[in-house]
Amino acid sequence: AQSVTQLGSHVSVSEGALVLLRCNYSSSVPPYLFWYVQYPNQGLQLLLKYTSAATLVKGINGFEAEFKKSETSFHLTKPSAHMSDAAEYFCAVSPSRRNQGGKLIFGQGTELSVKP
Amino acid sequence: IAGITQAPTSQILAAGRRMTLRCTQDMRHNAMYWYRQDLGLGLRLIHYSNTAGTTGKGEVPDGYSVSRANTDDFPLTLASAVPSQTSVYFCASSRGGQNNEQFFGPGTRLTVL
Repeated sequence: AQSVTQLGSHVSVSEGALVLLRCNYSSSVPPYLFWYVQYPNQGLQLLLKYTSAATLVKGINGFEAEFKKSETSFHLTKPSAHMSDAAEYFCAVSPSRRNQGGKLIFGQGTELSVKP
Repeated sequence: IAGITQAPTSQILAAGRRMTLRCTQDMRHNAMYWYRQDLGLGLRLIHYSNTAGTTGKGEVPDGYSVSRANTDDFPLTLASAVPSQTSVYFCASSRGGQNNEQFFGPGTRLTVL
């Protein structure tokens, strides 16, 4: 069965510093992977997704993630944090087998704080 | 275009009462989903529907039911609410398929006393 683990429930960085949010997945078949962001009192928005086309995926707001099969990881990075990046971030995996629909399995979430 | 709307925004409910959370999408998406979000647990799938007329159970379906009479609407019903169902509920939709993104509604905050 697929699963997702996000390392660190809370990450704090200074404005302008590198953002690194960690995500490891478990899957017996090649997965589809997603990062979503949730701003306070809002629903989730897609940041980026990996669908096997390219291992380095660029998303919105300057975020990117690299799929590393050997490490079963899909870490999210941004070179320079901005105050507006403060939010909760979720990694999710979609089973790539047929008949699974578009169901997503989410990690526990990582809350990102950005200090001035 | 509104995307996905959910109603109510928030609700306080007495235990044992019946409650239906409403979800409507205007994107003509085939698939729809209901999740609950709890601190430290992320989002967990309650029920889903791959197309109008079909539904399926997710990870935490007990105590909840859904119906999908048409493409746009996907109501979630708590037949007899219990305090452990206190949560934030999100509805989502997608075109379907494993690599299609899901679009989320703004959520319903439900408190069961």
